[in-house]
Amino acid sequence: AQKVTQAQTEISVVEKEDVTLDCVYETRDTTYYLFWYKQPPSGELVFLIRRNSFDEQNEISGRYSWNFQKSTSSFNFTITASQVVDSAVYFCALSERNYGGSQGNLIFGKGTKLSVKP
Amino acid sequence: DTEVTQTPKHLVMGMTNKKSLKCEQHMGHRAMYWYKQKAKKPPELMFVYSYEKLSINESVPSRFSPECPNSSLLNLHLHALQPEDSALYLCASSQGTGVGAANEKLFFGSGTQLSVL
Repeated sequence: AQKVTQAQTEISVVEKEDVTLDCVYETRDTTYYLFWYKQPPSGELVFLIRRNSFDEQNEISGRYSWNFQKSTSSFNFTITASQVVDSAVYFCALSERNYGGSQGNLIFGKGTKLSVKP
Repeated sequence: DTEVTQTPKHLVMGMTNKKSLKCEQHMGHRAMYWYKQKAKKPPELMFVYSYEKLSINESVPSRFSPECPNSSLLNLHLHALQPEDSALYLCASSQGTGVGAANEKLFFGSGTQLSVL
């Protein structure tokens, strides 16, 4: 069955600390896509990254980095030197190409609420 | 312009009211979506429009009625809602390369916070 697990419900850190948000997924498909979205208090979900199942390269974008490991079915997200503006709920999501993977039919994790205190 | 605009931002309605939520994008996207998000939960897909045609209805009750008048606009008509329908309603859009495009990046609006009394 398809599933995305974000085991950390809430994380609180002090500014400038590094923080890693965990995401573990289950899928029966060989072609699938993984996403991270950020939802600040204003409400809109903001796309952060997309990875397809054939691309296991890790990615760095400024203070953000992602570690995709198919062997452990994980797609973890690290924020380096966290800032107060990083405070938000972060969702990991999965979309399958061949099993119900239509547009917008994302399987979301339950989200991790990150609070960065000054 | 990379925005999805939703109006109103907040809406309070009684169970006998009829109201509409509106969503607009000018990115030339051909796929538009309605999601429902209850507090402290992830978004749940309700409807997908692809090239102005309804392509997915995730078994949503008929008291929710979507409409896509043109490629830039998406409405959600509400009638005879229940208190449990209170939630944040999010609109999103994507390029829309066709049904089955599971890899599309979604652009979300800020949502309408709906309260049903």
